[in-house]
Amino acid sequence: EVQLVESGGGLVQPGGSLRLSCAASGFTFSDYGMNWVRQAPGKRPEWISYITSSSRTIYYADSVKGRFIISRDNAKNSLSLQMNSLRDEDTAVYYCARDVQGFDPWGQGTLVTVSS
Amino acid sequence: DIQMTQSPSSLSASVGDRVTITCRATQSISRYLNWYQQKPGKAPKLLISAASSLQSGVPSKFSGSGAGTDFTLTISSLQPEDFATYYCQQSNSPPYTFGQGTKLEIK
Repeated sequence: EVQLVESGGGLVQPGGSLRLSCAASGFTFSDYGMNWVRQAPGKRPEWISYITSSSRTIYYADSVKGRFIISRDNAKNSLSLQMNSLRDEDTAVYYCARDVQGFDPWGQGTLVTVSS
Repeated sequence: DIQMTQSPSSLSASVGDRVTITCRATQSISRYLNWYQQKPGKAPKLLISAASSLQSGVPSKFSGSGAGTDFTLTISSLQPEDFATYYCQQSNSPPYTFGQGTKLEIK
């Protein structure tokens, strides 16, 4: 079964940092680009970052550029998102998703709350 | 950035009905348009990619069409499990933007 499992969310103060992880299983992780998508309560999903299978190409949404860093370890079937300088508006459920011309599947999500 | 606009934002329908949701892009995205279904507390689920390609395991009651800037998702013979929020998303170029969603409710 193709599966993605996120971890690392939690409560953090504004200006703080957090590192999210996504563990992949059930498919050849190194064959696929991967994405991070977040969704604030009651809002539409917001794509925030993409990384190619080889890590050669990376894209970020303007809302996180310069603050978040996406990376992957193909040997460990793992995707990461380093989030720095967190703001109140970064509060959301964060999902990793496999890129297959469309995002499929998505993980179950991990909640990040930025609050003092 | 490419903006995606869905209509309607909410839709009330009955079991057995056929409904259509539209999605419009602010510039041509060829057929790089995906549709997702999301139920409360769950991650979105990919239903259709490339405007009309039904994902494996998704019932044929779901169908998509369109190209360029205008797209539709049609759901036939609504069942209770189909009542959810539906999102379109463009995958033509980053940022890969989503529509605001269409909440499909039981009448």
